[in-house]
Amino acid sequence: GAGVSQSPSNKVTEKGKDVELRCDPISGHTALYWYRQRLGQGLEFLIYFQGNSAPDKSGLPSDRFSAERTGESVSTLTIQRTQQEDSAVYLCASRRTVGSPLHFGNGTRLTVT
Amino acid sequence: RKEVEQDPGPFNVPEGATVAFNCTYSNSASQSFFWYRQDCRKEPKLLMSVYSSGNEDGRFTAQLNRASQYISLLIRDSKLSDSATYLCAVNLPNDYKLSFGAGTTVTVRA
Repeated sequence: GAGVSQSPSNKVTEKGKDVELRCDPISGHTALYWYRQRLGQGLEFLIYFQGNSAPDKSGLPSDRFSAERTGESVSTLTIQRTQQEDSAVYLCASRRTVGSPLHFGNGTRLTVT
Repeated sequence: RKEVEQDPGPFNVPEGATVAFNCTYSNSASQSFFWYRQDCRKEPKLLMSVYSSGNEDGRFTAQLNRASQYISLLIRDSKLSDSATYLCAVNLPNDYKLSFGAGTTVTVRA
């Protein structure tokens, strides 16, 4: 029923702290994606999950970034030892299958001070 | 060469005008195409899928040109509320990764 849900909407953290972002996809959507969007920039692919297959982590910028997803449900994106350059909006999206459009959540705006 | 490229604009048009812009893609095997709209500090929202024969949704018309490897979006009778960044997205067959363009900014002025 509901769309993609992300929490928190906003997160301010101090440099060096760890943060965890959550995404709840649309029910029945097998694929889940994380993107990053810096201010005034385009979408930067981070990772996607497809069912129980191994995730495509090719977009993760460093080993400080990791993500998990249990089955076809909630996903968490974790950023360890945050840096100021991690400040961005982190968008989660899901889709039913290959060829269908992505549906985005409202995003988490992360600010690292 | 980037997988998906868009003219960043901005396209500044008066209300009521028609504006059109393209999105080129590099992989000729690309199968699925979409246009998204993104308002300032908001998430992208699906505007329309693009079908092989072209399709229309109200004032919006999308076209696919496979020979030249681009899709286009045309907005007729522009409204102030059409001001946004328009992102194109392209998908290879049997590939879950969707490639996005950097967006075309449209500003409609009164």
